[in-house]
Amino acid sequence: TQLLEQSPQFLSIQEGENLTVYCNSSSVFSSLQWYRQEPGEGPVLLVTVVTGGEVKKLKRLTFQFGDARKDSSLHITAAQPGDTGLYLCAGFMEYGNKLVFGAGTILRVKS
Amino acid sequence: DAMVIQNPRYQVTQFGKPVTLSCSQTLNHNVMYWYQQKSSQAPKLLFHYYDKDFNNEADTPDNFQSRRPNTSFCFLDIRSPGLGDAAMYLCATSRESSGAYEQYFGPGTRLTVT
Repeated sequence: TQLLEQSPQFLSIQEGENLTVYCNSSSVFSSLQWYRQEPGEGPVLLVTVVTGGEVKKLKRLTFQFGDARKDSSLHITAAQPGDTGLYLCAGFMEYGNKLVFGAGTILRVKS
Repeated sequence: DAMVIQNPRYQVTQFGKPVTLSCSQTLNHNVMYWYQQKSSQAPKLLFHYYDKDFNNEADTPDNFQSRRPNTSFCFLDIRSPGLGDAAMYLCATSRESSGAYEQYFGPGTRLTVT
């Protein structure tokens, strides 16, 4: 059983559409991070959310951390082909000093 | 620029022939991680070092070993690669920052086993 459930697994949309990716868990995380990975490269950190209820914006990307620090969402407004990639959420567990990754969402934005 | 460097970017090895992947960092982070990632899947943690303390994941095969001779370098040794070990291997570093351990990944080494 995945500790951090990420959905959807795959998303193919047209340029200009909006989308939301979800990460859910029954566990509480001290922080939650979102990464974006392009083919053949390592993941790149987009944002870290630490406080329950926190909302962070990065241009067209909006990240939210649930009040109970068990879930998070990533919303992209007016998606562009350059947003194509693998999006990964990862929760930090203080026990063991390690990240728990969700399964990832493959996003494809068609022009 | 401070960064995480992995060499080589592509490695081909024969079935059963030992191989070593290397990682170096100029970030001076005290934690280093090795992940295995298969096609379009999430990275799977193999082990990590917190300073010199080695932490092995319970499901990491004995075939995988690691060395960290100093803060800057970390190595992944695969003693007898099998076809199932073909994957992208990612090195990452982190340090504590405002309660979060943000990870900085290298570009990865793509391992092919023939």
